[in-house]
Amino acid sequence: DQQVKQNSPSLSVQEGRISILNCDYTNSMFDYFLWYKKYPAEGPTFLISISSIKDKNEDGRFTVFLNKSAKHLSLHIVPSQPGDSAVYFCAANSGNTPLVFGKGTRLSVIA
Amino acid sequence: ETGVTQSPTHLIKTRGQQVTLRCSSQSGHNTVSWYQQALGQGPQFIFQYYREEENGRGNFPPRFSGLQFPNYSSELNVNALELDDSALYLCASSPPGRANTEAFFGQGTRLTVV
Repeated sequence: DQQVKQNSPSLSVQEGRISILNCDYTNSMFDYFLWYKKYPAEGPTFLISISSIKDKNEDGRFTVFLNKSAKHLSLHIVPSQPGDSAVYFCAANSGNTPLVFGKGTRLSVIA
Repeated sequence: ETGVTQSPTHLIKTRGQQVTLRCSSQSGHNTVSWYQQALGQGPQFIFQYYREEENGRGNFPPRFSGLQFPNYSSELNVNALELDDSALYLCASSPPGRANTEAFFGQGTRLTVV
């Protein structure tokens, strides 16, 4: 049973436009959510996080939105750049439990 | 500041063999977690080490075992390798008090079992 789901395996976006990556979760105990970016032959690198007490967190071009009632979060990248092309993983946990990852979404930003 | 480093980067083993993967944690980090990422999947938690003791384990059989050393580096050992063990193995270290909210990953070890 997948507790964190990223239902879109891939996404293509034009350079300069907005990229929206989605993530759904089933465990209502999750209270902390993270996004990681992974380039080929590298480990995942932390991008942005959000606690369940917030519904939005912004860091430069990256914004994460959390909708607790829908158990849904999304990552917005504006404007998208070719260097953003990577696999994006959504992860979640509760308290001090290990991170649970989704399967990832491959973002391609086309110049 | 040196990040998380893993060795080797690639490895090919035969079914039934044993393998040891190594991880050096980032300076100042005292917790190490290991993840398995199979093709097309997200990273799956194997176990975590804190102060040289296992501090949580995912749904992996006992033939997956680990160690953490006084300098916080860590090893992942897998016995009786199976074809399905072929995956990218990721190590992540975390600073004190941030074991599961700040995880810094190494580049991974790609294990192929033939």
